[in-house]
Amino acid sequence: EAGVTQFPSHSVIEKGQTVTLRCDPISGHDNLYWYRRVMGKEIKFLLHFVKESKQDESGMPNNRFLAERTGGTYSTLKVQPAELEDSGVYFCASSQDADQPQHFGDGTRLSIL
Amino acid sequence: LAKTTQPISMDSYEGQEVNITCSHNNIATNDYITWYQQFPSQGPRFIIQGYKTKVTNEVASLFIPADRKSSTLSLPRVSLSDTAVYYCLVVGGAGSYQLTFGKGTKLSVIP
Repeated sequence: EAGVTQFPSHSVIEKGQTVTLRCDPISGHDNLYWYRRVMGKEIKFLLHFVKESKQDESGMPNNRFLAERTGGTYSTLKVQPAELEDSGVYFCASSQDADQPQHFGDGTRLSIL
Repeated sequence: LAKTTQPISMDSYEGQEVNITCSHNNIATNDYITWYQQFPSQGPRFIIQGYKTKVTNEVASLFIPADRKSSTLSLPRVSLSDTAVYYCLVVGGAGSYQLTFGKGTKLSVIP
């Protein structure tokens, strides 16, 4: 089966611009998660979708970040406007049930100049 | 969220068994323990998960004592390709399934 895929693999934008990251979970996985690692720090949780509903968005840093999962399939994470501190690697993961192991994509490396 | 503590780094020769121990003193009753492996420029990859006693799969074993305050990941006969960062995580308490990553253990396998 295809794994979790993320697009793009790398994005370079200027401060103040908008960027949208996409995640395609494993087919049939209702649970979708976003995480990120900013420079020199640990991987941090951002939010958790169950189908199209936000189950837990306690990790979202501020209102410049908007995550959507219309139709309960793929998800997008939009950063608007991007700031320098948003640079890092954004990971997406999915699981069939919430208590099942999460399977990660290889991430989107976001560089804000 | 239960905090985990594990070695920052370990070195091992090829062919040896490697044991990485993680402490999680404040693990909750409903929490389970899960281990991930991460290579550079890749996402974390699930290795093994358990609640108590011993769990074994095709790549590793996980030993959890009765008090569940620690766990040990055992990798049999490591090869160079096992060089990676290994994360111990405690998951599931209070209905939250977010993974809390620490710094992990950087395992270096030497020829």
